[in-house]
Amino acid sequence: RKEVEQDPGPFNVPEGATVAFNCTYSNSASQSFFWYRQDCRKEPKLLMSVYSSGNEDGRFTAQLNRASQYISLLIRDSKLSDSATYLCVVNRSLTGGGNKLTFGTGTQLKVEL
Amino acid sequence: IAGITQAPTSQILAAGRRMTLRCTQDMRHNAMYWYRQDLGLGLRLIHYSNTAGTTGKGEVPDGYSVSRANTDDFPLTLASAVPSQTSVYFCASSDSPRDEQFFGPGTRLTVL
Repeated sequence: RKEVEQDPGPFNVPEGATVAFNCTYSNSASQSFFWYRQDCRKEPKLLMSVYSSGNEDGRFTAQLNRASQYISLLIRDSKLSDSATYLCVVNRSLTGGGNKLTFGTGTQLKVEL
Repeated sequence: IAGITQAPTSQILAAGRRMTLRCTQDMRHNAMYWYRQDLGLGLRLIHYSNTAGTTGKGEVPDGYSVSRANTDDFPLTLASAVPSQTSVYFCASSDSPRDEQFFGPGTRLTVL
């Protein structure tokens, strides 16, 4: 089983729609969580961190469920410019020191007119 | 410079040749990383450095080496390139290993 799993999509949605992405992680020792956005042939960029209480940044809402080891990203009022691949990222400490950041393979979103 | 820069932007290389990918950051971040990204496999960590003078192996280190002589620079060397090393390579940095990472624009490498 992969350490971080995402539905690859693509999710094709009309402009203005609400869309939700889910991500599951396998290691219960994971400590911090992020959503990154990656445009075609570009580098990943941090979209938002995910906090235990849930957090919102404009049209984007992230939720974390530690009991189910599940992270979600909700995008409201989708814009054409939201079309990208969204990467779920999980960070955990390693025995003996250090941290490991594991990236999901990404969920592709296409927002259409 | 603002953020992370990588060089070259792209490169076509003959198998067996030696190649060094350069990465420089000006954010004074302690930790730096090298990833490769391949279709269907996502980002995989090659090597990392938690602080200047130290390095560690990631998920796919074979065929690659790194050095971290100072805070700003983290070059990745392919001693003898093979076609399976054809990929997009991203360098990243973070203030500490627990924090979010910031990525450079990537190097697109093709080994023939």
